[in-house]
Amino acid sequence: AQSVTQLGSHVSVSEGALVLLRCNYSSSVPPYLFWYVQYPNQGLQLLLKYTTGATLVKGINGFEAEFKKSETSFHLTKPSAHMSDAAEYFCAVRAGGFKTIFGAGTRLFVKA
Amino acid sequence: GAVVSQHPSRVICKSGTSVKIECRSLDFQATTMFWYRQFPKKSLMLMATSNEGSKATYEQGVEKDKFLINHASLTLSTLTVTSAHPEDSSFYICSASWGPIVSGWEQFFGPGTRLTVL
Repeated sequence: AQSVTQLGSHVSVSEGALVLLRCNYSSSVPPYLFWYVQYPNQGLQLLLKYTTGATLVKGINGFEAEFKKSETSFHLTKPSAHMSDAAEYFCAVRAGGFKTIFGAGTRLFVKA
Repeated sequence: GAVVSQHPSRVICKSGTSVKIECRSLDFQATTMFWYRQFPKKSLMLMATSNEGSKATYEQGVEKDKFLINHASLTLSTLTVTSAHPEDSSFYICSASWGPIVSGWEQFFGPGTRLTVL
């Protein structure tokens, strides 16, 4: 069975600072990994995904994530936070089946 | 492209009534649709998976008779909450995929429906 752990339910950064949201997964088969963003009262928007190939994945809005198999991690980063990045972020894993498992989410706060 | 809509966006109903939520893929044919429930400040919980023309596959603990799912066409799936009670109040999100999800094809999410049962 697969699972996802997001470290830190809340992360607060200053505008312009590095954003780092942590995600670790568990899977017995090669996984597909995703990061989604959710704004209040809205659905989920895909930021980026890893399926195969290059382990450093670039997404929308300046976000990127690196798949590290040895660490079973897929941390999300952005070099410089913007106020508009404040939202809920979900890491998700899909491995060997039709089901996508979501992490508990990390709320990102951006301080002016 | 790849837009998924939900209707209504918000609904308030009285306890004991039934509510239908529609999920439509606007510009693609969705072979598979998923229904999720999200509690306040919580993650998404998969309720069921439906393939067009087939019966939905429900996750463990989800009442099939309470949450009726119909996937009648490649662009429409409906979730009916029957005999709703206040504990059914939640944010319901659908998503759709046009291809075999196991091969990494993307799920597209609808904007969600906020259900409040009084």
